[in-house]
Order: sequence, then C-alpha cells, then structure tokens
Amino acid sequence: DAGVIQSPRHEVTEMGQEVTLRCKPISGHNSLFWYRQTMMRGLELLIYFNNNVPIDDSGMPEDRFSAKMPNASFSTLKIQPSEPRDSAVYFCASSFAGLNEKLFFGSGTQLSVL
Amino acid sequence: QQQVKQSPQSLIVQKGGISIINCAYENTAFDYFPWYQQFPGKGPALLIAIRPDVSEKKEGRFTISFNKSAKQFSLHIMDSQPGDSATYFCAASKRWYGNKLVFGAGTILRVKS
Repeated sequence: DAGVIQSPRHEVTEMGQEVTLRCKPISGHNSLFWYRQTMMRGLELLIYFNNNVPIDDSGMPEDRFSAKMPNASFSTLKIQPSEPRDSAVYFCASSFAGLNEKLFFGSGTQLSVL
Repeated sequence: QQQVKQSPQSLIVQKGGISIINCAYENTAFDYFPWYQQFPGKGPALLIAIRPDVSEKKEGRFTISFNKSAKQFSLHIMDSQPGDSATYFCAASKRWYGNKLVFGAGTILRVKS
C-alpha cells in the first residue's frame, strides 16, 4: 500500500502564475479531501469528493481555486492566478466512508507564491 | 466559526511525564472524535478515536477521555517519550457526512529527555 501520493512535494511560483497540485488516493477509497494548512488558520477543509463527485466545496476560498476528480485514482487542485496569501501546505486525504473511518493523509505539497 | 477549540497551543513535558491536551466542541451532532499526530514534513496520521457511547478509550500509552455533557474530550499520553514530540490535532465529525472532519488548531508537544 503506497498510501496517498501527492505531487509535487514543493512548489515555488511567482504571483499570477497557475499552480496545479496532484493527488492519487489509496486504491479502493471512495472519498477524497483537499485540506490547506497554515499557521494562522490551521487545517482547513477546502473541498471533498465522494465517488468522484464534489460534495462540499464551501471551503474553497474563492473562484481562483478549482478542484477536479476525473476518475477514482486522480484529483487536482488548481489555483489560477496564484497570490502570495495562497502560500501554505496543501494536503490530500482519502478514506472509505464506511465502518472504517480512518482518514489517510498524503505528505502534502508545500506551496510558496512569491 | 471555530467548532473545535483546542488547548494548550504548546506543551513541554519531561520524559516519563503525562501530556494532556484538551478539546471542546460546540456542535452536539458530532459523534466521532479522533486525534491526529503530525510530525514535521508529514501529513497528520490517525492516533486514536472515540465515539460518544463510551467515556474512555485506551490504546497503549494513549488515552482519550470523553465528557459528553460538557462537550469536551482530552488526550492523555502516559510515560511521554521524546519520540512523541509532534503536533497533535483533535477533530470531530458527523459520521453520516463521511469523514468531513473539523480540526482543532493543534498543540505542539515537546518531550524533554
């Protein structure tokens, strides 16, 4: 079991550029979550998918953020255009929303927007 | 709206001592309360979890105490070790929403050897 795989691990970009973060959930998991972690706001849920369908995107900060899950094994979080205040660690997590309620996190993408 | 309040923000404990981290929640619909442990450069990992039908759950040196009437729960780490030094997050969710967890702000624990 390779766990939740995120790429890239680190991303440095300039303000105004498009940023795409990628996530491969654990095989067999049907729920996928994108979280953002900052010192000021802690861990915030941005969006979550169930069976590839976005269920709740109320945590997405603004229209500059978008997320897709084209299939059960891949999801992207895109920021366009990026701003310095988007600098944070972005985590993807997956789970099987059944009796086993463990939520498995990836190692995160450290995003720095200059 | 902060639905889960965690304290303290940071904690220093001597090796062998007891570490205690507290959380309080507001939403009485929450019925799943996990604790996550995060090491630098890693994602949070589930440590231990409890449901409100029991008042305590113990796994090794880690114990959750749960007080439903007070809407509070706490993590106790017995015989704390330097390897326990990490950030700890409490969380809560309504089970029928799957795993949509609301996290506390986190506690940075340092165990001095």
